[in-house]
Amino acid sequence: AQSVAQPEDQVNVAEGNPLTVKCTYSVSGNPYLFWYVQYPNRGLQFLLKYITGDNLVKGSYGFEAEFNKSQTSFHLKKPSALVSDSALYFCAVRDTGFQKLVFGTGTRLLVSP
Amino acid sequence: DADVTQTPRNRITKTGKRIMLECSQTKGHDRMYWYRQDPGLGLRLIYYSFDVKDINKGEISDGYSVSRQAQAKFSLSLESAIPNQTALYFCATSDFQGTDTQYFGPGTRLTVL
Repeated sequence: AQSVAQPEDQVNVAEGNPLTVKCTYSVSGNPYLFWYVQYPNRGLQFLLKYITGDNLVKGSYGFEAEFNKSQTSFHLKKPSALVSDSALYFCAVRDTGFQKLVFGTGTRLLVSP
Repeated sequence: DADVTQTPRNRITKTGKRIMLECSQTKGHDRMYWYRQDPGLGLRLIYYSFDVKDINKGEISDGYSVSRQAQAKFSLSLESAIPNQTALYFCATSDFQGTDTQYFGPGTRLTVL
């Protein structure tokens, strides 16, 4: 069965610095990988996805993620963090044999001014 | 995502009461999902439906039931609510085109006393 791990409950970064939110996955077959963001009192919003092709995926709000098959990772990155990026981030995986997503436990990102 | 609406947004109820949470979507998607979110546990799938006649249990379906009244409507019921069903509940939709990106409603915060 597929699974996702987000090893950090919280990531702290200063505004203007680069940020990374980590995600590793386990699937049989080729993975479909997703990042979602949840702002307070809101539902999850889709950020980006990797299906196939270029290992560096660009998404909304200046975020990008790098797919690394050998390390089974899909880390979320942004070159320069904003205070408004503070939110809860979820990684999710779906492999080609299954038809539903499995979510990680989430990582809270706090960007300080 | 305003195309996916959930009612009610907040609900407080008592142990043993029957509760129905409703989800409607105007995205024209065939697939709909119900998740619950608990702190530290991420999102867990309760039920999912790939079309009106196809309903499937997720990983935590015990104590819940669903009804797919139409392509656009998917309701979640708690037949006899218990306190450990206190959580944030999300409805999501997706349109399978090989990627299965899911779009989430704003959530329903349910408290069972």
